[in-house]
Amino acid sequence: RKEVEQDPGPFNVPEGATVAFNCTYSNSASQSFFWYRQDCRKEPKLLMSVYSSGNEDGRFTAQLNRASQYISLLIRDSKLSDSATYLCVVTGNTGKLIFGQGTTLQVKP
Amino acid sequence: SAVISQKPSRDICQRGTSLTIQCQVDSQVTMMFWYRQQPGQSLTLIATANQGSEATYESGFVIDKFPISRPNLTFSTLTVSNMSPEDSSIYLCSVEDETGSSYEQYFGPGTRLTVT
Repeated sequence: RKEVEQDPGPFNVPEGATVAFNCTYSNSASQSFFWYRQDCRKEPKLLMSVYSSGNEDGRFTAQLNRASQYISLLIRDSKLSDSATYLCVVTGNTGKLIFGQGTTLQVKP
Repeated sequence: SAVISQKPSRDICQRGTSLTIQCQVDSQVTMMFWYRQQPGQSLTLIATANQGSEATYESGFVIDKFPISRPNLTFSTLTVSNMSPEDSSIYLCSVEDETGSSYEQYFGPGTRLTVT
């Protein structure tokens, strides 16, 4: 079983749609959680950290469920510029980052 | 966040040769890392570059194949030795954000390596 699992997609949605990505992780000792965004042929960029209480940044909302070892990312009012691969990232032992394989989002006009 | 640059941005190399990739950060950082992203895959940690001591390698990666230098707190190099086509990949360095309490990392633009 992979340490971080994501549905690779692709998710094809129209502009303005709401889309949700899910991620599960296997290490119950993980302490930090993140969503990164990676555009084609670019480096990953931190989108947001994920906190136990859930957090929101504009159109983006992240949720963490420690009991189920589950993380989600909700994007409201999708824009064409949201098209990218979204990487779910958790810390493993000693704080190392472990990356999921990513979920590809394509927002269509 | 720190500004990170990498050189070269891309290269095409022949099998059996070696390539050294440089990573420069605009501020002193304690933790620097090297990752590999193979085509269509996510990122895999190669090693942690430790200043003043040998790098810490992850399972499946060895110093003879991926020697790393970290002469100071703003610079590191990764060498891909005796390359084969399987080494074709994007190599990224990253640094850990030292202003917060979490393990947020920021990445350089990557080096795209093709081995023929």
